[in-house]
Amino acid sequence: KAGVTQTPRYLIKTRGQQVTLSCSPISGHRSVSWYQQTPGQGLQFLFEYFSETQRNKGNFPGRFSGRQFSNSRSEMNVSTLELGDSALYLCASSSLAGGDSEQFFGPGTRLTVL
Amino acid sequence: GESVGLHLPTLSVQEGDNSIINCAYSNSASDYFIWYKQESGKGPQFIIDIRSNMDKRQGQRVTVLLNKTVKHLSLQIAATQPGDSAVYFCAENEGFKTIFGAGTRLFVKA
Repeated sequence: KAGVTQTPRYLIKTRGQQVTLSCSPISGHRSVSWYQQTPGQGLQFLFEYFSETQRNKGNFPGRFSGRQFSNSRSEMNVSTLELGDSALYLCASSSLAGGDSEQFFGPGTRLTVL
Repeated sequence: GESVGLHLPTLSVQEGDNSIINCAYSNSASDYFIWYKQESGKGPQFIIDIRSNMDKRQGQRVTVLLNKTVKHLSLQIAATQPGDSAVYFCAENEGFKTIFGAGTRLFVKA
């Protein structure tokens, strides 16, 4: 099976812009979770989608949003970018919802906000 | 490679020795725990998991121990190899969210 893929791998934006990141889960997985990873805060949960519905959300401002399509592919959007949004954004897929099973991570999208 | 943490706790072991990585979790109601390994430039990779109705689980060269009394999790790696050098994260499933620990960097000296 192909693994989790994320596009783009690297992205440079300026403050105030918005960005959309994409994640394709492992075939057959219906749960997609997004995480932000920074040296200072570590890995932080953003949200989880299962069967096109957001199931859980972490403590991030409303500028962070996402969606999931009928084929389980997911996108994450960050609007009005701030310098502090610079991070590695990781997507993970799993067969069960709610983090109750092994998650398979993609390589991440490295976002740099200037 | 990309840095996953500039000030992580670090464990340095000699190749062939056993490694023990410890983790304290926060929520006594968490019922599912996972260890992940992250190498530079890659996403975290599943190593082993354990549910709260167990105290110990073994995999290939790895063992996870769960002590619910003190909310402590440990990962034991037998016969540590250079390829085991990475950052290791424990994670707990808390209310349908996965909460990751800060991570421990493992260095394996040849």
